[in-house]
Amino acid sequence: DAGVIQSPRHEVTEMGQEVTLRCKPISGHDYLFWYRQTMMRGLELLIYFNNNVPIDDSGMPEDRFSAKMPNASFSTLKIQPSEPRDSAVYFCASSYSRSWQPQHFGDGTRLSIL
Amino acid sequence: KQEVTQIPAALSVPEGENLVLNCSFTDSAIYNLQWFRQDPGKGLTSLLLIQSSQREQTSGRLNASLDKSSGRSTLYIAASQPGDSATYLCAVFSGNTGKLIFGQGTTLQVKP
Repeated sequence: DAGVIQSPRHEVTEMGQEVTLRCKPISGHDYLFWYRQTMMRGLELLIYFNNNVPIDDSGMPEDRFSAKMPNASFSTLKIQPSEPRDSAVYFCASSYSRSWQPQHFGDGTRLSIL
Repeated sequence: KQEVTQIPAALSVPEGENLVLNCSFTDSAIYNLQWFRQDPGKGLTSLLLIQSSQREQTSGRLNASLDKSSGRSTLYIAASQPGDSATYLCAVFSGNTGKLIFGQGTTLQVKP
């Protein structure tokens, strides 16, 4: 079975540029989650979707961040404009349920904003 | 506000030793508790999920316990191996926030 697939694995870009992170969830999962991991703050939930609909985006740090899920097999997280403090590892995860089943994580995108 | 704490932050043991990783949480209103493993440069792998009504779960050499009333969980690893070296994260699904709240993790090194 293919797991959660994220691209790119690494992204290095200059401050002010637009960054788009991509995620393909596990087929059949109806929940999709975007997390950010930093040394200072650990793992934080940014936003999650249920059946392609955004349910809770209270973790999105600023209006510079946006996420979409146009269909059940694809989601994007966009940062525009990017800033050095956005440097982190961004994970996508999917699951059959919000709470009762374990979440399956992708390998993450390591983002560096110069 | 739910807070999850893992102690110690790092642990180094010789191969073959049995060990216990600790996790504590401040709000007992949880749906479940999960233990994850994270290898360097990789995502998280779910190891064990304990529902709030359960006391423990076992998978191979791993055993996780949950004491909701005291806000504690332990992950017991039997007969540790170098391949167990990784960061172990505890996470609680908070009933109040509807979110998975993670601890900072314990980085385990098992020396051959």
